Amino acid sequence: KAGVTQTPRYLIKTRGQQVTLSCSPISGHRSVSWYQQTPGQGLQFLFEYFSETQRNKGNFPGRFSGRQFSNSRSEMNVSTLELGDSALYLCASQFGRGGGRTDTQYFGPGTRLTVL
Amino acid sequence: ILNVEQSPQSLHVQEGDSTNFTCSFPSSNFYALHWYRWETAKSPEALFVMTLNGDEKKKGRISATLNTKEGYSYLYIKGSQPEDSATYLCAFIDTDKLIFGTGTRLQVFP
Repeated sequence: KAGVTQTPRYLIKTRGQQVTLSCSPISGHRSVSWYQQTPGQGLQFLFEYFSETQRNKGNFPGRFSGRQFSNSRSEMNVSTLELGDSALYLCASQFGRGGGRTDTQYFGPGTRLTVL
Repeated sequence: ILNVEQSPQSLHVQEGDSTNFTCSFPSSNFYALHWYRWETAKSPEALFVMTLNGDEKKKGRISATLNTKEGYSYLYIKGSQPEDSATYLCAFIDTDKLIFGTGTRLQVFP
């Protein structure tokens, strides 16, 4: 079974630009969650999509948005990039919804975004 | 804002040493606690899901215990090997989302 894939793996953008990251979950998984990791911080929850609907959202500004398609693939968009958006962005998939509870989340390798 | 604390932040041990680290979380409204292992340049990998007070889980040389009343979980590694070098993350469920600690970075020297 193929794992969670994320594209691109690395990205360099400049301030003010926008960026779209993509995540393909494990086949059969319907939930995709997105996380941001910056140096010294743990993984910060961005949002979760399940059945094409955003089910949960973390504490991030409206510049961060996402969507999920009918095949469960998800995209995350960051508009008007700031230097502080430089981070590793991870997505994770699971079969059911809801932040894991007892379901295991399977993580992708991440997209490293650098904002200059 | 709920806080998940992990200690120590980092740990250096010799091959063969046993080691343990702590995850502290809010003791009210407990649903589950997850442990993940994250090796450099790889994806975080699930180790355990702990759900009941007194839970003890084991996977090879790694085991974990859970105390929901006092809000902590311990992860133990017996006879550490260089391949155990990784960051170990715990995550607490809060209203359907995972709240991660900042992790304990373990380095095992041969």
